[in-house]
Amino acid sequence: SQTIHQWPATLVQPVGSPLSLECTVEGTSNPNLYWYRQAAGRGLQLLFYSVGIGQISSEVPQNLSASRPQDRQFILSSKKLLLSDSGFYLCACYGGGPNYGYTFGSGTRLTVV
Amino acid sequence: KNEVEQSPQNLTAQEGEFITINCSYSVGISALHWLQQHPGGGIVSLFMLSSGKKKHGRLIATINIQEKHSSLHITASHPRDSAVYICAVRRGGSQGNLIFGKGTKLSVKP
Repeated sequence: SQTIHQWPATLVQPVGSPLSLECTVEGTSNPNLYWYRQAAGRGLQLLFYSVGIGQISSEVPQNLSASRPQDRQFILSSKKLLLSDSGFYLCACYGGGPNYGYTFGSGTRLTVV
Repeated sequence: KNEVEQSPQNLTAQEGEFITINCSYSVGISALHWLQQHPGGGIVSLFMLSSGKKKHGRLIATINIQEKHSSLHITASHPRDSAVYICAVRRGGSQGNLIFGKGTKLSVKP
């Protein structure tokens, strides 16, 4: 079965500082990988998805970027954080096929101060 | 209007009560997911449905594709069921991303 490791669990960063959140997947190969964000009082919103190494699609214009340097590694980054980047960030994996479905990381709660 | 609507937004129940959470969607889907999010934020997948009904322990999920509606039922609710329950739909195609409802916050009192 698929397992996602996501870290860190919580993060407090000053405005203007850089960000790097990492997510790694076990138990599957060539999965679809996703970064979602949940702002306060809102549902989860798709930020980026990747169907393969080096392939990144962005759903919303923003201050963030994503990279997939290896098949099972997905990184969310920012060069300079904004207050509006605060929220709950969730990595997810879709391994495809009838017996896989979605697996979710434990999430990162980011507070920009 | 959101593509995935859940009701109610908040629900308080007494231990032992039968609970129903509803989800309606307005887009074509390949599957619907029910998720559970605990206060720490971690999300667990409860069900993935494309038709009919699924049961796991005290949890039952149903979907009506024609009416674009799904329900999550909890029988004999318990305080440990307290969490946010999220409905999410998966569009077709290779992208496969989920569109999430805003969630239903359930609190079960002892």
